[in-house]
Amino acid sequence: DVKVTQSSRYLVKRTGEKVFLECVQDMDHENMFWYRQDPGLGLRLIYFSYDVKMKEKGDIPEGYSVSREKKERFSLILESASTNQTSMYLCASSLPVSYGYTFGSGTRLTVV
Amino acid sequence: EDQVTQSPEALRLQEGESSSLNCSYTVSGLRGLFWYRQDPGKGPEFLFTLYSAGEEKEKERLKATLTKKESFLHITAPKPEDSATYLCAAYMNDYKLSFGAGTTVTVRA
Repeated sequence: DVKVTQSSRYLVKRTGEKVFLECVQDMDHENMFWYRQDPGLGLRLIYFSYDVKMKEKGDIPEGYSVSREKKERFSLILESASTNQTSMYLCASSLPVSYGYTFGSGTRLTVV
Repeated sequence: EDQVTQSPEALRLQEGESSSLNCSYTVSGLRGLFWYRQDPGKGPEFLFTLYSAGEEKEKERLKATLTKKESFLHITAPKPEDSATYLCAAYMNDYKLSFGAGTTVTVRA
């Protein structure tokens, strides 16, 4: 089975800190995604990548950046964390999207 | 604007009480409709993919159906272990899925 591993389950960071969320997948998937999930709003796409060193903005990229230096690793960066970035962050990967995503377990980030 | 809407937001069922969840979509060029299950504090797990109107898929007590405007997830004789949030997502003509907000199902013994 494909495994998508997010480095932290829970994180607490201070306002203004630079935050790195790491995601690694082990099945050679081309596509990787970062979503955030908030009650009542569902999953909203932040960034995605369809190849190494390629990245595309999703629906809510403001305040975030990403890095994909290797095929298996996709990092989400909060340049200067703010309290409105407190959320559940979900990483996913896929072969062609028509096959669906495999999600990681999520990182619950709290910014204080 | 492409949109995926799920209803109801929450559903409380007695064990054995069958019901249906709705996922309606207003997207152009739908290429697939996905259902996921999400347990509290965890990432979503894949359930089904439907590609064309009239298609049905089944897994244990769950059955998903698709029409040209909506999809239903039927839960037959649910058990407490079916309690979860169920998400639907539409795949259109680009690289991503667009998700609904989910339906939280609680099944009481």
